[in-house]
Amino acid sequence: AQSVTQLDSQVPVFEEAPVELRCNYSSSVSVYLFWYVQYPNQGLQLLLKYLSGSTLVKGINGFEAEFNKSQTSFHLRKPSVHISDTAEYFCAVTHPSGGYQKVTFGTGTKLQVIP
Amino acid sequence: NAGVTQTPKFRILKIGQSMTLQCTQDMNHNYMYWYRQDPGMGLKLIYYSVGAGITDKGEVPNGYNVSRSTTEDFPLRLELAAPSQTSVYFCASSTAGTSDSRDTQYFGPGTRLTVL
Repeated sequence: AQSVTQLDSQVPVFEEAPVELRCNYSSSVSVYLFWYVQYPNQGLQLLLKYLSGSTLVKGINGFEAEFNKSQTSFHLRKPSVHISDTAEYFCAVTHPSGGYQKVTFGTGTKLQVIP
Repeated sequence: NAGVTQTPKFRILKIGQSMTLQCTQDMNHNYMYWYRQDPGMGLKLIYYSVGAGITDKGEVPNGYNVSRSTTEDFPLRLELAAPSQTSVYFCASSTAGTSDSRDTQYFGPGTRLTVL
């Protein structure tokens, strides 16, 4: 079984400050990892994903995440946040396969950027 | 290319009423999903489909039914609405294969359902 833990339900940060949103996963096999962003009253959209290769993954809007297999983590970072980054962020995990594999989502972290 | 569309955007139901949430995707994706999102709970998978004519239960299927007669459409049916089904419902789709978009889920804008 796979699981995802997002320990921080809310993260307030001042505008132009750096931010890190934490994600830890549990899985007995290799994984694909994702970060999705949900703006108010909208559906989720992909921010970035790790499938294989370089452990540092760059996504849209200046976000990046690093896959750390030994610590089973996939933390999301941005060096300088903007008001428009205020949203809820979801980490997700699934397994590589040729067919359907269940995606498990974390409970989400609300990022509040303070002017 | 509209992506994933959902109707209606909002709906209020009385206990015991039934309704169908519509979902359509125009990306020719094999896989489609229904999730419900409750505050602080993340997304829970209700049902999923790996292709036309094939559906299966997710984590929280009770009180819901689905069908998939075409690749594009994946409606979700609530037969006897209960207050516990008050939630935001998201439809999503994804593709298999080796494209760069593989395994990425594309979400609709959601349906906010209140059962009173």
